[in-house]
Amino acid sequence: SQQGEEDPQALSIQEGENATMNCSYKTSINNLQWYRQNSGRGLVHLILIRSNEREKHSGRLRVTLDTSKKSSSLLITASRAADTASYFCARVRSGAGSYQLTFGKGTKLSVIP
Amino acid sequence: DAGITQSPRHKVTETGTPVTLRCHQTENHRYMYWYRQDPGHGLRLIHYSYGVKDTDKGEVSDGYSVSRSKTEDFLLTLESATSSQTSVYFCAISQGQGNTIYFGEGSWLTVV
Repeated sequence: SQQGEEDPQALSIQEGENATMNCSYKTSINNLQWYRQNSGRGLVHLILIRSNEREKHSGRLRVTLDTSKKSSSLLITASRAADTASYFCARVRSGAGSYQLTFGKGTKLSVIP
Repeated sequence: DAGITQSPRHKVTETGTPVTLRCHQTENHRYMYWYRQDPGHGLRLIHYSYGVKDTDKGEVSDGYSVSRSKTEDFLLTLESATSSQTSVYFCAISQGQGNTIYFGEGSWLTVV
């Protein structure tokens, strides 16, 4: 079954605006990883956030994690047309088997120039 | 970019034929994975390996087998390809539990 469900499924914004994507999951995690995928390409790793972390930054990206709500969010600030892509969250569960990623279906982001 | 090479990148094959996809890594990572990506399903784990000759099944393993005879190579075999196996296949690698998982560029397989 799918874990790490993203919301919204699709998001369209103007260049320069911020984009927020959310991810929910059902079971305890070791960490949660966000990926970007451009059309027809592979997945590019963006950020890994561990279960004992609440927030991480990487350039224009900010990821938050709320383990009590079993949710995470990815914020892209000052979006650019080049940010147009699908974004996936994937969880790595805690305990035995903490080396497998389970993906959601992704959020398709369109940034309009 | 992580040193992951998938081959072939594109393949068209006929129903009932065997197909092998290869994943080669230069990072000496212990864990290797095969995922498939389909519209409406996202990425789903087929098989994974946690060491040479150590493999296990993932979520959608039926119709697939894998082998890992060397650290750097992980092969995915479709013994008798079916149209439902038309998909994009991604190889991924990881150093270990709880570490970042890096993906290859994908192999597009069409079964006609």
